[in-house]
Amino acid sequence: SAVISQKPSRDICQRGTSLTIQCQVDSQVTMMFWYRQQPGQSLTLIATANQGSEATYESGFVIDKFPISRPNLTFSTLTVSNMSPEDSSIYLCSVLGGGGIQYFGAGTRLSVL
Amino acid sequence: SQQGEEDPQALSIQEGENATMNCSYKTSINNLQWYRQNSGRGLVHLILIRSNEREKHSGRLRVTLDTSKKSSSLLITASRAADTASYFCATDDSGAGSYQLTFGKGTKLSVIP
Repeated sequence: SAVISQKPSRDICQRGTSLTIQCQVDSQVTMMFWYRQQPGQSLTLIATANQGSEATYESGFVIDKFPISRPNLTFSTLTVSNMSPEDSSIYLCSVLGGGGIQYFGAGTRLSVL
Repeated sequence: SQQGEEDPQALSIQEGENATMNCSYKTSINNLQWYRQNSGRGLVHLILIRSNEREKHSGRLRVTLDTSKKSSSLLITASRAADTASYFCATDDSGAGSYQLTFGKGTKLSVIP
């Protein structure tokens, strides 16, 4: 298994600002994923982040709004840009482990005023 | 798009009773996984069942998979108050990108002491 540290755990932000969420893994991993979980909803995949290549975004998510960096095999960031109240969600990172299992960070609870 | 549909959406039982949650999906899969989420935190992997398996056990957990009906069930026996959480099924779709998971809407389980 992998231990994932995600920061910040929560934040309250003003409309129009940006927030960068960090995800640190205790071992080298090839595939990392970013999810959004809107209030009371399930998880929706934002993008897959592989080291050394551009992130692959899912339908409905664009790089300008959710830029992702993956500078090495243990770290990734997700930025939520030009935030609006509709961006209030829990954002989670995960990494791919053995056997296709994903290991998740504790999530970042974002509230946009 | 959401692949899995869990039912019930919410389940309330007494401690010591069994809890059964169901999941249906739409496409061919490589495997189906169940995750638990406590109070909007990160997800914890519970169990994975492959498409060629019909039943799997792990401690108090029993998972079944019926690929002809595209459905799975998670049984938690002798429930405890600590089992109170949301439970999500997630499918690794054979037609989708490698190792991407599609999550269902989840079942919110409350175990009353």
